[in-house]
Amino acid sequence: EAGVTQFPSHSVIEKGQTVTLRCDPISGHDNLYWYRRVMGKEIKFLLHFVKESKQDESGMPNNRFLAERTGGTYSTLKVQPAELEDSGVYFCASSHPRGLARVTDTQYFGPGTRLTVL
Amino acid sequence: AQSVTQPDIHITVSEGASLELRCNYSYGATPYLFWYVQSPGQGLQLLLKYFSGDTLVQGIKGFEAEFKRSQSSFNLRKPSVHWSDAAEYFCAGDTSGTYKYIFGTGTRLKVLA
Repeated sequence: EAGVTQFPSHSVIEKGQTVTLRCDPISGHDNLYWYRRVMGKEIKFLLHFVKESKQDESGMPNNRFLAERTGGTYSTLKVQPAELEDSGVYFCASSHPRGLARVTDTQYFGPGTRLTVL
Repeated sequence: AQSVTQPDIHITVSEGASLELRCNYSYGATPYLFWYVQSPGQGLQLLLKYFSGDTLVQGIKGFEAEFKRSQSSFNLRKPSVHWSDAAEYFCAGDTSGTYKYIFGTGTRLKVLA
């Protein structure tokens, strides 16, 4: 079974430009999450999809960030326009549909996309 | 506020020595707790998780963790460290219904030959 994949692995852009990050979850995982780690800080939750619907986007920093999950499969996270403080590692995770057992909620993480805004 | 704390930013141990990485949590109810590891160039890999029941949890790669409610801790242990264990370790917590993992700041482990 393939794991969570993310593309690109690294992105270097200039302030004001647009970047789109992509995440492919594990097949069959309805839940998809985005997290971000800013240098030296903890990994922080950004948002959560259930299939194509945004369940919780309380962690999104501001309206320069737009996440989509058309068709309930892969997801994209667009930053437009990028600012210096957006630099960090963006992680995607996925988990099984929530069932009766909590054990289905374990989130499986991808390798992350390292974004550098100059 | 809910939080997960990893007091040690860096830890260095000699290969073959025992290891304990600390994790403390602050939650109103008993959280679900996880340890993840990130090796260079890799994603976050789940080492082990605690949901309920036996407070001593066994994980992959010879790691174990013990949930201690009285100390609000979930420390990760390994009896004998291998050079390949050098990585960054993250403790995370979740409470029922939130889906939002709260992570500690991570502990970077260095292993001396």
